[in-house]
Amino acid sequence: DVKVTQSSRYLVKRTGEKVFLECVQDMDHENMFWYRQDPGLGLRLIYFSYDVKMKEKGDIPEGYSVSREKKERFSLILESASTNQTSMYLCASTLMDEQFFGPGTRLTVL
Amino acid sequence: AQSVTQLDSHVSVSEGTPVLLRCNYSSSYSPSLFWYVQHPNKGLQLLLKYTSAATLVKGINGFEAEFKKSETSFHLTKPSAHMSDAAEYFCVVSVNDYKLSFGAGTTVTVRA
Repeated sequence: DVKVTQSSRYLVKRTGEKVFLECVQDMDHENMFWYRQDPGLGLRLIYFSYDVKMKEKGDIPEGYSVSREKKERFSLILESASTNQTSMYLCASTLMDEQFFGPGTRLTVL
Repeated sequence: AQSVTQLDSHVSVSEGTPVLLRCNYSSSYSPSLFWYVQHPNKGLQLLLKYTSAATLVKGINGFEAEFKKSETSFHLTKPSAHMSDAAEYFCVVSVNDYKLSFGAGTTVTVRA
C-alpha cells in the first residue's frame, strides 16, 4: 500500500519560531508537494520538488522554504512563523497524475 | 489557466437519497479532472479521475462523474448516500504534469 507520512498531526508554535514539517513517502516517487488547506480556499500549492535537491515555487511560497536531500523526504520550513501561517499542511507525492496525500499537520502559531 | 469552481460549499442529504456535487472547469484544452474525498482528520483520497477516455467515470464507493465538454462540467453523483459519505469533496483539474488546481471544496452532511 502507498504510504505518505507526516511527522506530526498537531503542532503548536510561537510567533518567530523556526518550524520544520517533515514528510516521508515510501513509493520511490519523483515528485513531492506541500500544500496548505484553509476553509473555503481548498488546497493551495506552496512548493513542489521533482527530484532530489530540485524545487519549484508554487502559488503561495512567501514565508516558506523547502528541502529535499533524499528522494523519500521533503521538508517544509517556516523560517519565522507568523499567526497567518496557522493552517492545515498537507504533503503529497505523485505517481503519474495521481497524488497520494499524507494525513496532514495542523499547525497553530500563537 | 486551468481552474475549477465547485458550485456548492455545503450539501445536506438524507441517508439513502441521491448525492449531487457540482463542479465546473475552465481549461484551454481537454483537461484531466479528478474528485478527491477527505474524511475528518484524514488525508485526501482519490475517488475517480477523467483522462479523455470514457466520459462517464466510475470511482470507488459507488461514486461516478460525467464529463460534459459542452457544459464544461464534471459533476459527482452517487445514487444512494450512506452515513460514511459524510466528508469534504474536492474537484481538481490538472494544470500540467506536476501541478493540480483544487476547488474550494464541498462539505457533505448525511442525515439519518
